[in-house]
Amino acid sequence: IAGITQAPTSQILAAGRRMTLRCTQDMRHNAMYWYRQDLGLGLRLIHYSNTAGTTGKGEVPDGYSVSRANTDDFPLTLASAVPSQTSVYFCASSDPGTGNEQFFGPGTRLTVL
Amino acid sequence: GQSLEQPSEVTAVEGAIVQINCTYQTSGFYGLSWYQQHDGGAPTFLSYNALDGLEETGRFSSFLSRSDSYGYLLLQELQMKDSASYFCAPYSGGYQKVTFGTGTKLQVIP
Repeated sequence: IAGITQAPTSQILAAGRRMTLRCTQDMRHNAMYWYRQDLGLGLRLIHYSNTAGTTGKGEVPDGYSVSRANTDDFPLTLASAVPSQTSVYFCASSDPGTGNEQFFGPGTRLTVL
Repeated sequence: GQSLEQPSEVTAVEGAIVQINCTYQTSGFYGLSWYQQHDGGAPTFLSYNALDGLEETGRFSSFLSRSDSYGYLLLQELQMKDSASYFCAPYSGGYQKVTFGTGTKLQVIP
């Protein structure tokens, strides 16, 4: 693989179900991010990780959790999905010290019914 | 607090020049990034201005005035493929200090 991959590409989920969005990068970037993008609201940061073993909360973290067991993987989990979590989710990564230039995955389109 | 303003939509003719403005207010400002996103696609990095002035990359140029908290993206010789959304993203240092606004949707017409 090259760059960042996300899975699944799209998903329809019943409210109340648990869901994990996967993100893997092969660029050995220390920093990784999860954003959600909603029409009219732009990109909003959910969680981030500066390096393996550390995570932090972004602008809209409620209802989401992340883990960073290694450099390459940064999964996002919705413990109990709600319709307001219907969105397009993007994973991104950046080099150490260059958070201004982020590389984005193709996105996951999630619909919660 | 933080704020970010860009026009929501801009329409321009193929072959013309268009300028997309961005005003921002953020603490600990380092520089201004620009990203492009085509419909259904992922954002891709275009440019970054750490210093005042104009940075040119092919048909695209980006300008920053730190004293005015203002920047713009200039697209020359517009092509139909330039139809996309463009986001200015102030960078405040560290890994998590990038703010994306709602972006400007550029439509290039024949």
